Amino acid sequence: DAGITQSPRHKVTETGTPVTLRCHQTENHRYMYWYRQDPGHGLRLIHYSYGVKDTDKGEVSDGYSVSRSKTEDFLLTLESATSSQTSVYFCAIRMELNTGELFFGEGSRLTVL
Amino acid sequence: AQSVTQLDSHVSVSEGTPVLLRCNYSSSYSPSLFWYVQHPNKGLQLLLKYTSAATLVKGINGFEAEFKKSETSFHLTKPSAHMSDAAEYFCVVGNAGNNRKLIWGLGTSLAVNP
Repeated sequence: DAGITQSPRHKVTETGTPVTLRCHQTENHRYMYWYRQDPGHGLRLIHYSYGVKDTDKGEVSDGYSVSRSKTEDFLLTLESATSSQTSVYFCAIRMELNTGELFFGEGSRLTVL
Repeated sequence: AQSVTQLDSHVSVSEGTPVLLRCNYSSSYSPSLFWYVQHPNKGLQLLLKYTSAATLVKGINGFEAEFKKSETSFHLTKPSAHMSDAAEYFCVVGNAGNNRKLIWGLGTSLAVNP
């Protein structure tokens, strides 16, 4: 199984502060994704990456930025956190190129007060 | 355009009885379809996937799903529920070549009663 580690797993912060979530994989999967999960909305794609320094926006990218300087790390940054960004964030990697199967990390719960 | 609808937000069954979680989809081209499971406070795990091969797909933990193009459905079933099956289940439709286009259902919460 692919190893995905998300950090931190839990974070409480205040409105207006910057927050960075990290996703680390132990294998060289090319595609990595950041989703947020909210009640009533299911999973929504924030950003994804298709290689080092190659990223693109998902459906809910406003207020978020990402970086991928190494294959194994995909960072999600909230430049100035807002209460609407309180959510559970999941990182995923694409396991098989042709089928679209995703493998998920265990999530990072972010609370913005 | 693609969309997915999970017809039940909550399903409750007794242990040992069959499970049916319903999913309808809409797609303008031949879709890929997935079911994922999420146990409380855990990440999501792939249960099974349909990618234009056999229409009856078998997954992990005794689950299976049948792709019915005429009904635009991909319902998830299991003959006999186990307590450990209690979780949230998500139906997903997409274009296998482009994960940006994955569309997630809102989920069905499955409760299994002793």
